[in-house]
Amino acid sequence: NAGVTQTPKFQVLKTGQSMTLQCAQDMNHEYMSWYRQDPGMGLRLIHYSVGAGITDQGEVPNGYNVSRSTTEDFPLRLLSAAPSQTSVYFCASSYSSTASYEQYFGPGTRLTVT
Amino acid sequence: AQSVSQHNHHVILSEAASLELGCNYSYGGTVNLFWYVQYPGQHLQLLLKYFSGDPLVKGIKGFEAEFIKSKFSFNLRKPSVQWSDTAEYFCAVNANGGSQGNLIFGKGTKLSVKP
Repeated sequence: NAGVTQTPKFQVLKTGQSMTLQCAQDMNHEYMSWYRQDPGMGLRLIHYSVGAGITDQGEVPNGYNVSRSTTEDFPLRLLSAAPSQTSVYFCASSYSSTASYEQYFGPGTRLTVT
Repeated sequence: AQSVSQHNHHVILSEAASLELGCNYSYGGTVNLFWYVQYPGQHLQLLLKYFSGDPLVKGIKGFEAEFIKSKFSFNLRKPSVQWSDTAEYFCAVNANGGSQGNLIFGKGTKLSVKP
């Protein structure tokens, strides 16, 4: 199993550009989520999904969009990039939406917005 | 709103020293508690978790944590650290009674172990 994969690993965007961060898992996990990690801030939840076709907002959803058309994929879209979105983005998945199951994290995407 | 506090931003220890990293959460209901570790350049990995039962939980690589409900704390301990424990450590809480996997993370504690 590849686990949770994320592409790209690094990305530089100009203010106003849009892009999609890809996340895929091959463990047939029901629950997937996106976090951003900023220095001194820990990880903050952006959006999450408890199954295909179901998404919801986390703590910091503004400026981001998600969809979950398949169990495997959970892309994160930046609609109009801003310097405040410079961060490291982690995707995670879990067997179930209950917290009884470990969340597995991807390797991260380091995004810089200039 | 629920929150998680990690008291130390950066801890520097020599090899063989004992480690205790503090974690406090603010939520009066049922919680599930986690410690994750992020080694340099790597993704987060689960060290240990507490759901119920024995408040002293053991994790991987010799780490353990104690849940003290009266103090809203879940401190991480290791009796003797190694250089390879150099990493950032995150405490996390699920405060929805387990109905959703959403985690609230602390800001992290960076541990540097000197050989």
